[in-house]
Amino acid sequence: GENVEQHPSTLSVQEGDSAVIKCTYSDSASNYFPWYKQELGKRPQLIIDIRSNVGEKKDQRIAVTLNKTAKHFSLHITETQPEDSAVYFCAASSTGRRALTFGSGTRLQVQP
Amino acid sequence: DAGITQSPRHKVTETGTPVTLRCHQTENHRYMYWYRQDPGHGLRLIHYSYGVKDTDKGEVSDGYSVSRSKTEDFLLTLESATSSQTSVYFCAISESTTSDTQYFGPGTRLTVL
Repeated sequence: GENVEQHPSTLSVQEGDSAVIKCTYSDSASNYFPWYKQELGKRPQLIIDIRSNVGEKKDQRIAVTLNKTAKHFSLHITETQPEDSAVYFCAASSTGRRALTFGSGTRLQVQP
Repeated sequence: DAGITQSPRHKVTETGTPVTLRCHQTENHRYMYWYRQDPGHGLRLIHYSYGVKDTDKGEVSDGYSVSRSKTEDFLLTLESATSSQTSVYFCAISESTTSDTQYFGPGTRLTVL
């Protein structure tokens, strides 16, 4: 089955700096890669996703890049703000597998 | 938030008792999923459903069963709860084979003493 590894497990940045979270996956059939943000005590919320037919996608301060050859994808947050503090999860799935396989999460702390 | 509710939101039970968690959606989405979330493990798939009466196992299905008799409801049952099943349980839904995007319910915190 699919295995998704996520690094780092914790990340602390100063407000205004950039943050990068990286994930690798094992199943070359995976073709959908979402990122979720989870605030304390809340449900995971989709913040951005990418499919295997594109290499990069941006949404304001958030971007995701995908390298299919190396089987890794990354989340980039620019101009971080205190409200970006949360746990971020990457995930992967394929059309045939349907369900998501999640990474173990990254706790991002943005220091004011 | 997508129209997903979970009940109960919190439950404390004793080892050996049966427990049923309910997920209810108003989106008429075909796919429904149960995940559990534990520190250091992210979210792990327990079972999922691809239609009424159609279900399949996930990576951590031992000790759990599911049922889906209506499009809108997906039930997760712990036949005989154990302390290792203490966790936060999330239900998720997705629309169809054309969309992989999953939306999560608010979660149920289950404590097994």
